[in-house]
Amino acid sequence: QQPVQSPQAVILREGEDAVINCSSSKALYSVHWYRQKHGEAPVFLMILLKGGEQKGHEKISASFNEKKQQSSLYLTASQLSYSGTYFCGTYTGNQFYFGTGTSLTVIP
Amino acid sequence: EAQVTQNPRYLITVTGKKLTVTCSQNMNHEYMSWYRQDPGLGLRQIYYSMNVEVTDKGDVPEGYKVSRKEKRNFPLILESPSPNQTSLYFCASSTTTIIMNTEAFFGQGTRLTVV
Repeated sequence: QQPVQSPQAVILREGEDAVINCSSSKALYSVHWYRQKHGEAPVFLMILLKGGEQKGHEKISASFNEKKQQSSLYLTASQLSYSGTYFCGTYTGNQFYFGTGTSLTVIP
Repeated sequence: EAQVTQNPRYLITVTGKKLTVTCSQNMNHEYMSWYRQDPGLGLRQIYYSMNVEVTDKGDVPEGYKVSRKEKRNFPLILESPSPNQTSLYFCASSTTTIIMNTEAFFGQGTRLTVV
């Protein structure tokens, strides 16, 4: 039931773009995205609700395709501060599941 | 300031010695949960609570207990810790319990080592 994320890891140079995908086998009410720096607590980025809504957060945006039970996170013109592990989160019934995680490293 | 407070931040203990990790939130959230994070396995839910006196097992509940006697507190109890419970633990809380359309707030984490 844990959502599957792809890729597992990605390395970018500053200014490059990246896409992180999240796929669930269950019907979704909403999708959350979080970023975690090593050893720290996950930090909320955004929530997407049913309806294919696309939201943005500075240069980070995301989409939600409820029919395909998928969400994608788009990072444009990446900055060094974007480095970390990105998790999607999905709610199924009463449980909240985090995705498998994507490690993103931005290098100068 | 809205926050989730976990204590302790770091803990080294011996096998079999009961311990409690506390979690408290000041946002009047109904939903609270505990996760453990291990390398390569991501965040896995241990227990969750949808409100006072309502708790349920997550994906990895073995070896853990929880209680929710007050809305703000959700302690994690390890009755007889074992080395395989060495991990980084996070408590989280959020408002909505039905469709979970609000963000989860996380505690600072507790790094537990069982020797």
